Amino acid sequence: AQSVTQLGSHVSVSEGALVLLRCNYSSSVPPYLFWYVQYPNQGLQLLLKYTSAATLVKGINGFEAEFKKSETSFHLTKPSAHMSDAAEYFCAVFMRGGTSYGKLTFGQGTILTVHP
Amino acid sequence: ETGVTQTPRHLVMGMTNKKSLKCEQHLGHNAMYWYKQSAKKPLELMFVYSLEERVENNSVPSRFSPECPNSSHLFLHLHTLQPEDSALYLCASSQDPRQSYGYTFGSGTRLTVV
Repeated sequence: AQSVTQLGSHVSVSEGALVLLRCNYSSSVPPYLFWYVQYPNQGLQLLLKYTSAATLVKGINGFEAEFKKSETSFHLTKPSAHMSDAAEYFCAVFMRGGTSYGKLTFGQGTILTVHP
Repeated sequence: ETGVTQTPRHLVMGMTNKKSLKCEQHLGHNAMYWYKQSAKKPLELMFVYSLEERVENNSVPSRFSPECPNSSHLFLHLHTLQPEDSALYLCASSQDPRQSYGYTFGSGTRLTVV
């Protein structure tokens, strides 16, 4: 079965510092991977997705993620954190649920705090 | 109006009440989903509807009853809930249930069972 694990439930950085949120996947087939962000009292918003076209994926708000098959990782990075990046971030994998549909399965989430 | 809209945004209900959550999508998508988001737990997929047909019921108790009358609307009927059912309930939709395009989420309904 396919799954994702996010390392670290909380990450704290200073404004302007590098953001690194870790996600490792488990899959017997090439996975489709996603990062979502959730701001307080909001639903989830798609940041970026990996669908095998390129290993380095650029998303919205300056975020990017690199698919590394050898490390089974899909870590999310941003060179310089902004106060508005404070939110909860979810890694997800798309799984086949049957012949006619698939479904997104999410990691546990990582809360990012940005200090002035 | 575009996107995925959920109503109400907040709901407080007693354990003997019956209420319904509503989700509407204006994206022309063919699949809709209910997720439960509890504190300190991963997002849990509850139900999947593909072309208005329920294709997955993820071991959800019968006190939760979904309904999908057409491809734009999804309901979650609630009755005889327990306090541990208090959570954020998120609705999502996707263009093609078989493809990994990603989901569009609503803002959720914050449910409190008292």
